[in-house]
This record gives sequence, C-alpha cells and structure tokens, in this order.
Amino acid sequence: DSGVTQTPKHLITATGQRVTLRCSPRSGDLSVYWYQQSLDQGLQFLIQYYNGEERAKGNILERFSAQQFPDLHSELNLSSLELGDSALYFCASSGGDSRQETQYFGPGTRLLVL
Amino acid sequence: AQSVAQPEDQVNVAEGNPLTVKCTYSVSGNPYLFWYVQYPNRGLQFLLKYITGDNLVKGSYGFEAEFNKSQTSFHLKKPSALVSDSALYFCAAYNFNKFYFGSGTKLNVKP
Repeated sequence: DSGVTQTPKHLITATGQRVTLRCSPRSGDLSVYWYQQSLDQGLQFLIQYYNGEERAKGNILERFSAQQFPDLHSELNLSSLELGDSALYFCASSGGDSRQETQYFGPGTRLLVL
Repeated sequence: AQSVAQPEDQVNVAEGNPLTVKCTYSVSGNPYLFWYVQYPNRGLQFLLKYITGDNLVKGSYGFEAEFNKSQTSFHLKKPSALVSDSALYFCAAYNFNKFYFGSGTKLNVKP
C-alpha cells in the first residue's frame, strides 16, 4: 500500500459528460501528479501540482483540468468526455518539488466512457 | 520530439536466469531516469532511479540498471529472475518539468 488513495475505483459514464477524480496524497507529501494510461497512448504525464500551485504540465487536454486544495488533496476534472478518454487514471505523490523525488502511485481510477 | 523507447513489448526468461529489459531515451539535456513496475490491477511502483554518479544503480527487489550516456540507454537488469518478477515494466525520463514514459515491457518469468 503506497499510502496514496484514489476515488472512485471505477467510473462508467457517457460521452459528453463530466467527471471528477479524486486523489489524496501520502501524509506529508506536497506534490501530486496525474497520469493517464490507455491502450493506444501508453502512460502519459498530465500535470503536477505542488502545495496548491501548478508546477508542470504534460499532455493534458484543454477539456481536462486539475487543482490541489489547501488540504493537499487533488481533483482531476474531465469534461465533454469522448470514447477515447477511456483509460486508467493514476495519481502519484512525492514529498517535495524536486524531480529527484520518488513518486508513490495510487491504485488508479478506471474510467469507461460509453 | 522527446521520447523514451522500450523496444521489446515482451521479454520471456526462465526462473533463475538473468534478465534484461531494455530502454533508450531521446530527451535533451541530462534527464533523470526511472524504472517502475506495474502488477495487474495495481498502480506503478518505483524500482530505481538515476540522477548522477555511478552508472550502475541498485534498486528494489534485487533489480539494478545500467546507465550508458553514449548510447542513451538505461537497461534494467537482475542476475536471477523470480516468477514473482512477472509484471509490466516502465522506463521513464524526467527533464524540463515533464515526464516521458516508455510504452512498457511485459516480463514473463517461467518456472
């Protein structure tokens, strides 16, 4: 158990809808990272937050947004969902902001868009 | 374009034999390099990382990786494979505030 929790574990929704994925980092960790893992795109880095501020941005679509709250949990919002958004979404956390930090991954949220 | 390549979709090895999972990167500068393992229905777990220094990095569960700057490679190795090592392995590079992941290599260790 990495100490990172993600809810929900599974999510089924329809095209055009909006969903919110939630991540709670390990106790004391200030950074949260979001990743998307799909069959055709592999594992892709989406975005990183550190202590409430956006720190790095990867291949995140404009339809997607994220935020980190004062209690350090993070939410990833996916809107105008398309079939291709079906994937496993992981969050990870690390103690600080340094790229040397080891990341600890949550179990993921499996999103299915029908 | 920046990228990480894992040329083998699958690696098969017999238990007790040495294993190598290959990774090459095309990321500018001096990226940090990582290996992660993913077991079925689980998130990724950190194995090891190269930041600087000795080209041979030792990590979790008896794994090690060899960094070769001239070949831009970071191959994962283990002297003696276990059946429990069977999983999906990802190589990653980090530079300029972005992570780049390889497509993953499925390792099958047969008894």
